[in-house]
Amino acid sequence: QVQLVQSGAEVKKPGASVRVSCKASGYTFTNYDLNWVRQAAGQGLEWMGWMNPYSGNTGSAQKFQGRVTMTRDTSISTAYMELTNLRSEDTAVYYCARLLVVRGGGNTLDIWGQGTVLTVAS
Amino acid sequence: SSELTQDPAVSVALGQTVRITCQGDSLRTFYASWYQQKPRQAPILVIYAKNNRPSGIPDRFSGSNSGNTASLTITGAQAEDEADYYCSSRDSSNSLWLFGGGTKLTVL
Repeated sequence: QVQLVQSGAEVKKPGASVRVSCKASGYTFTNYDLNWVRQAAGQGLEWMGWMNPYSGNTGSAQKFQGRVTMTRDTSISTAYMELTNLRSEDTAVYYCARLLVVRGGGNTLDIWGQGTVLTVAS
Repeated sequence: SSELTQDPAVSVALGQTVRITCQGDSLRTFYASWYQQKPRQAPILVIYAKNNRPSGIPDRFSGSNSGNTASLTITGAQAEDEADYYCSSRDSSNSLWLFGGGTKLTVL
């Protein structure tokens, strides 16, 4: 079945970097953009950015520009999100989500990974 | 505009109908998607585009749109529908994704 499986929980110190992986299966990896969304404890969902696995093109929310890098390895159908210069406010669950293109303005994020818990603490 | 607004909490009696709303200027251009999230789980898509349900989502879930408001309706709410519900859409410039703040649904 179609699924996205993410890497395990991470604990990092302030100032460090983290790389989260998202492995796709059950569909052609390069046919669908992947997005990254995070959620702090007890808070709502926050969009971080997107990547086109075919071209490698990316875009991110202004808040994360300069700190987030999204890459992929098409040979293993895996996307990566690296966040640098971590601070305590980056403690959250990080999700990858597949973009489903729907004609007429109905694009949606239809498949989500299970989430990766990141804790940033000294 | 870069905001989607949802009521923080809504309750419904078991078996009754409940509507959860989402307001934002971007909804005049783009359809809303609706996600259900239960504690310690990833969001699940329940409604997208005009009123489409992914495979496996019960038909008691439906969506509608009018002007700057999107609505998620659960007809005959079940205990297992108790969850947080988030709306989402592209922003008006189609450059990023917006999420509402979420609505906590309690089934009484």
